[in-house]
Amino acid sequence: NAGVTQTPKFRVLKTGQSMTLLCAQDMNHEYMYWYRQDPGMGLRLIHYSVGEGTTAKGEVPDGYNVSRLKKQNFLLGLESAAPSQTSVYFCASRTRDRGSYEQYFGPGTRLTVT
Amino acid sequence: DAKTTQPPSMDCAEGRAANLPCNHSTISGNEYVYWYRQIHSQGPQYIIHGLKNNETNEMASLIITEDRKSSTLILPHATLRDTAVYYCIVRVIQGAQKLVFGQGTRLTINP
Repeated sequence: NAGVTQTPKFRVLKTGQSMTLLCAQDMNHEYMYWYRQDPGMGLRLIHYSVGEGTTAKGEVPDGYNVSRLKKQNFLLGLESAAPSQTSVYFCASRTRDRGSYEQYFGPGTRLTVT
Repeated sequence: DAKTTQPPSMDCAEGRAANLPCNHSTISGNEYVYWYRQIHSQGPQYIIHGLKNNETNEMASLIITEDRKSSTLILPHATLRDTAVYYCIVRVIQGAQKLVFGQGTRLTINP
C-alpha cells in the first residue's frame, strides 16, 4: 500500500494563478482532510470530507475549495492564489471503523505564492 | 474543545526516557488524549491515545492523571530518530475527529 500520496510535492505560483492539489489514498478510508502548516506553527484544518460527495469547512476554509468525487481522492483548489497561502499542505485520511483512531498523513505539498 | 498546554521545547539524552507533559485542565468526560509527532518536515505520525487508563504500545506509554487534567507521554529509550515536534491533542473519538494542533513540544535527543 502506498498510503496517502500528494501531488505535487513542490509548486511555485504567482499571485492570482490557480492550481489544484491532489490527495490520494489506497486504504479505502471514509474520512479525508486537508491541513495547512505555516512556519513554526501547528497544522490547521482547511476542509474535510466524511465520505464521497460530501465536504465541510474546517478552521481556515477561506480562499480554498475542495471536491471528493471519488472515495480515494480529495482535491484542494486555489482559485486565485495569494501570498498568504504560502504554506505546506498536508492531506490525511482515516477509517470510520470502530477501534481505529489514527489519521494517516501524506508527505505534504510545499507551496510558495510570489 | 479542550485546549492543551505543552512546553515549547525539551532535551533528552539518547538512551534515556523522554517524558513529555501536557496539561488539559478543561477536558470533558468523553474527550480522548491523542499524541502525534512530526519529524522534520514530514507529515504527522500517530503515536498513542487514551481516555483514562494508562496505555502502552510499541512506540510509547501514555500516563493520564486520575483527574484527567494532565498526561505524560513517555518514550522509554529515546533515540536520535525520536527528535521531532510532539503534539498533544484532546478530541472526542466519534465523528469526523477534526484535530486541532497547537505548537507542540520540540524534543531534541542529544547523543
